[in-house]
Amino acid sequence: GESVGLHLPTLSVQEGDNSIINCAYSNSASDYFIWYKQESGKGPQFIIDIRSNMDKRQGQRVTVLLNKTVKHLSLQIAATQPGDSAVYFCAETSSNDYKLSFGAGTTVTVRA
Amino acid sequence: KAGVTQTPRYLIKTRGQQVTLSCSPISGHRSVSWYQQTPGQGLQFLFEYFSETQRNKGNFPGRFSGRQFSNSRSEMNVSTLELGDSALYLCASSPTDKDEKLFFGSGTQLSVL
Repeated sequence: GESVGLHLPTLSVQEGDNSIINCAYSNSASDYFIWYKQESGKGPQFIIDIRSNMDKRQGQRVTVLLNKTVKHLSLQIAATQPGDSAVYFCAETSSNDYKLSFGAGTTVTVRA
Repeated sequence: KAGVTQTPRYLIKTRGQQVTLSCSPISGHRSVSWYQQTPGQGLQFLFEYFSETQRNKGNFPGRFSGRQFSNSRSEMNVSTLELGDSALYLCASSPTDKDEKLFFGSGTQLSVL
């Protein structure tokens, strides 16, 4: 079946450095993508989203890149902070699907 | 504005019992979705409701059921609990009928002994 997945299960990054989290998807019908952050004991928290008619979108310290040709999605976090330590999930959906398909998640650990 | 509220926060049940979980969406949100989260399977879609109608259902056995009330509040029920049902059950609501950007609650941690 088609699924959304992340390339690496864990990522360790030095405080102040930039982080890049990758995600591959296989459903060519997907037209909306979201990144979520989940901290221990909490539900996933929305970070940023992007539609398939865009290839880049920027937020506060975060940038999402979408490459539809190779079905790849990435999340860039600038100047990573200790509070960025969490599990990051990519998710995708298509119009009228009424559900999100989540990747397995990448655990980001920020080193002081 | 209050976020998605799920009750109870923790539950301990034994095999064979049944359980009902409750979810109150963000005020004004009419779409409610449920997801199961386990370390091995990640986040798996259970079902989605909009205006009391189930629009999509995930690949779970019939022991898992849900409903939505006229005030958009939702409940999910799991009957004849199995050990493998131990998981974090997450509820999410969406401000649009397209159910794209989901806002999640903190979940109900269910342990089946």
